[in-house]
Amino acid sequence: QPALTQPASVSGSPGQSITISCSGTSNDIGGYNYVSWYQQRPDKAPKLMIYDVTRRPSGVSIRFSASKSGNTASLTISALQAEDEADYYCSSYTSSTTWVFGGGTKLTVL
Amino acid sequence: QVQLVESGGGVVQPGRSLRLSCAASGFTFSSYVMHWVRQAPGKGLEWVALISYDGSNKYYADSVKGRFTISRDSSKNTLYLQMNSLRPEDTAVYYCAQGGGNAESDAFNIWGQGTMVTVSS
Repeated sequence: QPALTQPASVSGSPGQSITISCSGTSNDIGGYNYVSWYQQRPDKAPKLMIYDVTRRPSGVSIRFSASKSGNTASLTISALQAEDEADYYCSSYTSSTTWVFGGGTKLTVL
Repeated sequence: QVQLVESGGGVVQPGRSLRLSCAASGFTFSSYVMHWVRQAPGKGLEWVALISYDGSNKYYADSVKGRFTISRDSSKNTLYLQMNSLRPEDTAVYYCAQGGGNAESDAFNIWGQGTMVTVSS
């Protein structure tokens, strides 16, 4: 049972926006600003898309944005493109000096 | 360029041991926290362990505590994962990942391509 809760799947049409939620507790998401998001395409390694709740690494499209409220974090992808189709995972640092992941969300671009 | 290359995966019987390696290049290995993350076939990501930049602190997921040991050799720019008492549920692709800095709270910035471990009789 993953420690963080994400929807199993989301979908959207090209040009639309989608949001993926990630729910945790006060011991992880709610207690720290160390939430990150990863994109994983089939048979590939994950790629960091967002770190420290809202920050984008160099090279990641500005179409990717994120936020946090209480024990829930969210990833928003605007102006959806076919290349965004992938699995997305949230992750958080915890009070035990460990990390936890969400179960992953499969994004389908219709 | 920054690169992580895992090796050492394979098929192993339950109860046996295996050691994974992760060769780092393109960055100052001794300055970064390093992690192991695994992914069972068709499943999500699971954090396994982290080691501080100087090797002085190590933390583990409950699922592997007491069985797995993370270590690093900065003279060889290599991260290791010693896996003992392996179970079928340890079957997964194992990724090494670089933390973004020297803090345990830095996100997983760079990932290797992964190495497959299959535990089966």
